[in-house]
Amino acid sequence: GDSVTQMEGPVTLSEEAFLTINCTYTATGYPSLFWYVQYPGEGLQLLLKATKADDKGSNKGFEATYRKETTSFHLEKGSVQVSDSAVYFCALSDRDNNNDMRFGAGTRLTVKP
Amino acid sequence: DTAVSQTPKYLVTQMGNDKSIKCEQNLGHDTMYWYKQDSKKFLKIMFSYNNKELIINETVPNRFSPKSPDKAHLNLHINSLELGDSAVYFCASLSPNTEAFFGQGTRLTVV
Repeated sequence: GDSVTQMEGPVTLSEEAFLTINCTYTATGYPSLFWYVQYPGEGLQLLLKATKADDKGSNKGFEATYRKETTSFHLEKGSVQVSDSAVYFCALSDRDNNNDMRFGAGTRLTVKP
Repeated sequence: DTAVSQTPKYLVTQMGNDKSIKCEQNLGHDTMYWYKQDSKKFLKIMFSYNNKELIINETVPNRFSPKSPDKAHLNLHINSLELGDSAVYFCASLSPNTEAFFGQGTRLTVV
C-alpha cells in the first residue's frame, strides 16, 4: 500500500539556520504530495503541495519539489525563525486509491533564538 | 466559521465506557476521515468516507464504529474503551483538489 517515510526528529536549529526535512514515498498510483504543519494544541494545516512531477510547492519561505525519479518531496527553508517551531508532516493523497491520504511519522522542529 | 469542527475537545472517561466524538464540516466536501494521533505524534488513518459510504477501513478494532448520517458529518463511536485508546483523534475533510482540512482534535484520556 501507499506509504510515506520522513526524517525522524527531533530537529533543533538556531534561528536563521538552513532547514531540510527529508521525505520519500511509495504509491501505487500518481499521488499528490503535501507538507502539513501542526502547531502545539492545534490540528494540521496545509503548508504546501505539489500535484505532479517537477512541481515546486512553496509557502512562507518553505519549498519542496516533487521528484518522481527519486520518489521524494524534501522540505527546505533557507532561514528558519523561532515561530517555525512545530511538527511537520509529509503526506500523499492517491486519487487512484480512493483518495487514500497517508502521513509520515512527523518531524518535530525546534528553533532557538 | 470553523470549517471542520469536532466535539468534545477533551474527553476523560473510565475503562469500559462507551463514548462518541462528533465531527462536522461546512465545506461541502464529499470525503471525510478519522485519524488517531499517538503520544509520539504518529498519525494513523482509521476510516474514510465518501458521500456517506465507507471507503477505507484500516485495521481498527471493531469497538470503533464510524457513522455518517450525511456527507457533512462523520461521527466516531467507541465501545468498551481501553487504556490504549488514549490519543488525540482528528477528523478531516478532503477538498476536490485533495487538500485536507483538519479539525482541532479530540484528546481522549481513558483512566
